[in-house]
Amino acid sequence: GAGVSQTPSNKVTEKGKYVELRCDPISGHTALYWYRQSLGQGPEFLIYFQGTGAADDSGLPNDRFFAVRPEGSVSTLKIQRTERGDSAMYLCASSPRLATNNEQFFGPGTRLTVL
Amino acid sequence: GENVEQHPSTLSVQEGDSAVIKCTYSDSASNYFPWYKQELGKRPQLIIDIRSNVGEKKDQRIAVTLNKTAKHFSLHITETQPEDSAVYFCAASFGGGYQKVTFGTGTKLQVIP
Repeated sequence: GAGVSQTPSNKVTEKGKYVELRCDPISGHTALYWYRQSLGQGPEFLIYFQGTGAADDSGLPNDRFFAVRPEGSVSTLKIQRTERGDSAMYLCASSPRLATNNEQFFGPGTRLTVL
Repeated sequence: GENVEQHPSTLSVQEGDSAVIKCTYSDSASNYFPWYKQELGKRPQLIIDIRSNVGEKKDQRIAVTLNKTAKHFSLHITETQPEDSAVYFCAASFGGGYQKVTFGTGTKLQVIP
């Protein structure tokens, strides 16, 4: 079946603008995660959804970052008043959250560049 | 919160030799430790994982060991091949991986033919 997909693959914006990044998880996966990965670093946890609710948003760096998953499937990461420091690869992952399988399947990412 | 440290940051080995990557974690409550492989320009992919009730797990040429007392775990790759060249990330999680996952900083492995 189809894997995790993310759109757009690349996003270039100007400082101060608003951006939305979309994640389509694997069908049936109840858990969805957002990470940010800077060059040469490991993925940095941002937020985790179980169903429609954010179970853990402790990784969101500040109140300019917000994420939603209104129907428990597709999720959107929203960044307001973007700053140059927000430039990074934004990765989404989903997991079936089964007792015997909690592997996280990653999407290809959205590379965000803030000029 | 959890902090995961990973060493070395780069590792070069001759084809056929073994490679070992080591990680330490800080939160004694962590109980799930996955390892991901990320090839250049691609997404991270799980290669092996281990839970805290197990000390060692093997899958063909890959093995992971866990020492809960010392709070460290290691990835061992034997008979390395050029296609093993990639960045490897260790990670730690509480709640069996359902919760927040904290990644290490990565090890760039180069296998020289």
